[in-house]
Amino acid sequence: DTAVSQTPKYLVTQMGNDKSIKCEQNLGHDTMYWYKQDSKKFLKIMFSYNNKELIINETVPNRFSPKSPDKAHLNLHINSLELGDSAVYFCASSPGLVLDTQYFGPGTRLTVL
Amino acid sequence: KQEVTQIPAALSVPEGENLVLNCSFTDSAIYNLQWFRQDPGKGLTSLLLIQSSQREQTSGRLNASLDKSSGRSTLYIAASQPGDSATYLCAVVNSGYALNFGKGTSLLVTP
Repeated sequence: DTAVSQTPKYLVTQMGNDKSIKCEQNLGHDTMYWYKQDSKKFLKIMFSYNNKELIINETVPNRFSPKSPDKAHLNLHINSLELGDSAVYFCASSPGLVLDTQYFGPGTRLTVL
Repeated sequence: KQEVTQIPAALSVPEGENLVLNCSFTDSAIYNLQWFRQDPGKGLTSLLLIQSSQREQTSGRLNASLDKSSGRSTLYIAASQPGDSATYLCAVVNSGYALNFGKGTSLLVTP
């Protein structure tokens, strides 16, 4: 009965590989987000989708591509992984935009070797 | 560009003390402010959400206030317990819809 789930929880890979992180929410929310938490624990927005439409796309390398097959899912695909991509990636969702509480997944710790 | 600052960066208190965590933001045109708790290696848990039209919210031993005009919020924790030990994050929503986070206050409550 997890509200926002992410898979995998841990991901260790080599530089240059392509990997995906999956996110699913069973809350019936319209909006989903991807945040990155760097080694200094600073959280920053990467993307946001509302009803499967991209509404936020921060200054993120185009090696990162979000995909929303339906309202309940927002997956993050990363091409040509670099050392600097190592971080914890959090998925979140909210009922709508702006005024609503955001609910976070448990995070995916990505380590690029 | 919105900048969110949290003071102090770290805090250690003995069990039972009341404490205040501070958050300030540079752009007062916010829609809401949210306080989160993050335990080591875990995700974020929402504690309190204050809409821009509100002055404070309370949940149990937690009370959050918002002074939008001065760009400040405080999180008051009453009668602290060792289980309150965690990192507390403040975040605001501007017109960009996403949360802008501070760097957090790491709280340790000692028995």
